[in-house]
Amino acid sequence: DVKVTQSSRYLVKRTGEKVFLECVQDMDHENMFWYRQDPGLGLRLIYFSYDVKMKEKGDIPEGYSVSREKKERFSLILESASTNQTSMYLCASRNRGTYEQYFGPGTRLTVT
Amino acid sequence: GQQLNQSPQSMFIQEGEDVSMNCTSSSIFNTWLWYKQDPGEGPVLLIALYKAGELTSNGRLTAQFGITRKDSFLNISASIPSDVGIYFCAGQLGDSNYQLIWGAGTKLIIKP
Repeated sequence: DVKVTQSSRYLVKRTGEKVFLECVQDMDHENMFWYRQDPGLGLRLIYFSYDVKMKEKGDIPEGYSVSREKKERFSLILESASTNQTSMYLCASRNRGTYEQYFGPGTRLTVT
Repeated sequence: GQQLNQSPQSMFIQEGEDVSMNCTSSSIFNTWLWYKQDPGEGPVLLIALYKAGELTSNGRLTAQFGITRKDSFLNISASIPSDVGIYFCAGQLGDSNYQLIWGAGTKLIIKP
């Protein structure tokens, strides 16, 4: 079974703090994704990584950056957290050449 | 970005009833995926569809890839309490090699 883990289930941060969300997958997948999920809006893609050290912007990259130094790990960084970044953050991975994405349990981030 | 039209937004049903939901778009898709998300968890893949007209089952769940390639349907037969959650459709466009287009979700609630 694919296992995608995220470093925290719940996180509370203050406005202006730098926030790191970590995601690790154990299936040697090339592709990894970061989404945010807000009620009524479904899943919106923040960033995507084809492979190590590669990244591509999704639909809503503003205010976020990412890092992929190792194949199994994909980090989402909020350089200066703002209250409108309060959301559920979901990480997913996928094998190259397939369409099915496998998700972690999510991190519910609250910025106060 | 693009979004699929998923309906209904929510459903109140009695245990034992059959459930139907669908996703439609003006675009043509190569793949349709159906996910379920339990409260506080990440989405879990239920069914993947790859060909127009394809009908695929997973236990009490049946999904169909619409013949026009612009829609997909999910049916749940004889619903039980653990069916509660949010169901998402996601489609892969022919011209995109990585990005899924997501519906906003159908929330299934079982009447006590």
